[in-house]
Amino acid sequence: LAKTTQPISMDSYEGQEVNITCSHNNIATNDYITWYQQFPSQGPRFIIQGYKTKVTNEVASLFIPADRKSSTLSLPRVSLSDTAVYYCLVALGSGNTGKLIFGQGTTLQVKP
Amino acid sequence: NAGVMQNPRHLVRRRGQEARLRCSPMKGHSHVYWYRQLPEEGLKFMVYLQKENIIDESGMPKERFSAEFPKEGPSILRIQQVVRGDSAAYFCASSPSRTQQETQYFGPGTRLLVL
Repeated sequence: LAKTTQPISMDSYEGQEVNITCSHNNIATNDYITWYQQFPSQGPRFIIQGYKTKVTNEVASLFIPADRKSSTLSLPRVSLSDTAVYYCLVALGSGNTGKLIFGQGTTLQVKP
Repeated sequence: NAGVMQNPRHLVRRRGQEARLRCSPMKGHSHVYWYRQLPEEGLKFMVYLQKENIIDESGMPKERFSAEFPKEGPSILRIQQVVRGDSAAYFCASSPSRTQQETQYFGPGTRLLVL
């Protein structure tokens, strides 16, 4: 089981770029890396997913180095509404039933 | 396309009562997952179901908890004889398949409070 480690909390200011790094040293060959966002009193929301190199969508970018032992979620020009908990997940390998293993996540506080 | 629906959104029960939580997956999704989130903690997997089958219940407490996903109707998470420690947010997620590349879509959750 690939365990993830990410900072408990981060602070930022509006308009800044925020990078949240997640370590997953035991990632398996066919594991994907997925990030979710959760606002208070809401269910998690999918942000981005990747396997290697770089993935970008309208919300964020995900950088994954060649060894895949870590990944970095990049949020460009954050706003107050980006204040949330961000979870880095690495699913199980072959035989995976699809269940997601959530860690404690990173609480991002965006200040004006 | 409506998202994952859960009801009730809030549920208050006294110790010893039963709690029934319902989840209607997104249209076209036949895979349902239940997660529990205790206050100030991350989500913990409970059970994974497909229509009429429990695929993985490794996260379910051994007693008092059960889940089903009948051929017709929503998925039900049932907690018998609730205790205060059951107070938590219960989230349901659905996906069209079980591959890890498939995004899971979460509902708004049911917040259970046991008095």
